[in-house]
Amino acid sequence: AQKVTQAQTEISVVEKEDVTLDCVYETRDTTYYLFWYKQPPSGELVFLIRRNSFDEQNEISGRYSWNFQKSTSSFNFTITASQVVDSAVYFCALSEAGGGADGLTFGKGTHLIIQP
Amino acid sequence: KAGVTQTPRYLIKTRGQQVTLSCSPISGHRSVSWYQQTPGQGLQFLFEYFSETQRNKGNFPGRFSGRQFSNSRSEMNVSTLELGDSALYLCASSLDLWAGEAFFGQGTRLTVV
Repeated sequence: AQKVTQAQTEISVVEKEDVTLDCVYETRDTTYYLFWYKQPPSGELVFLIRRNSFDEQNEISGRYSWNFQKSTSSFNFTITASQVVDSAVYFCALSEAGGGADGLTFGKGTHLIIQP
Repeated sequence: KAGVTQTPRYLIKTRGQQVTLSCSPISGHRSVSWYQQTPGQGLQFLFEYFSETQRNKGNFPGRFSGRQFSNSRSEMNVSTLELGDSALYLCASSLDLWAGEAFFGQGTRLTVV
């Protein structure tokens, strides 16, 4: 069975600090996808990134960057120079190739609080 | 381009009643998935529909059901409501059957009293 663990329940930092959200996953599949979603107070989940299991290249998008390491089954997310607008709950998720019976398997989420 | 629309946004029902939630996916998207979000269990997969057929189903009792129409709009139904069904129900729209990124609606907040 698939499993995603986000050990950090809540993180609070001061604006402009860098922050890393951890994600560790478990799967028996060799082909899978990893995702990060942001959930602001309004409720909808906002897609941030998808990474497939064969692409371990790190990705940077503006202030956001992702570090995928298959050797440690981790897919960590770093926000550089955090801003108050980054405050939200962030979810890491996993899916088998083609979906599979479990759809997206989500971690419990990390509540990120950016203080001004 | 309009996003995923879920109606209603908020709902209060009594134990034992049934409820129907609606989801209109992004135009052109053929896959619709449903998720239940609760403080205790987090986000859990309910089911996925593609081309009017249920393709995958999560570990929920038969009281939870759904369907998809020819225009890709989807409904989910919960019968004989229990207090534990109180949750945020999120609908996700994808271009294809788990082709990749999913776009979520704002959800329907169901409260069972």
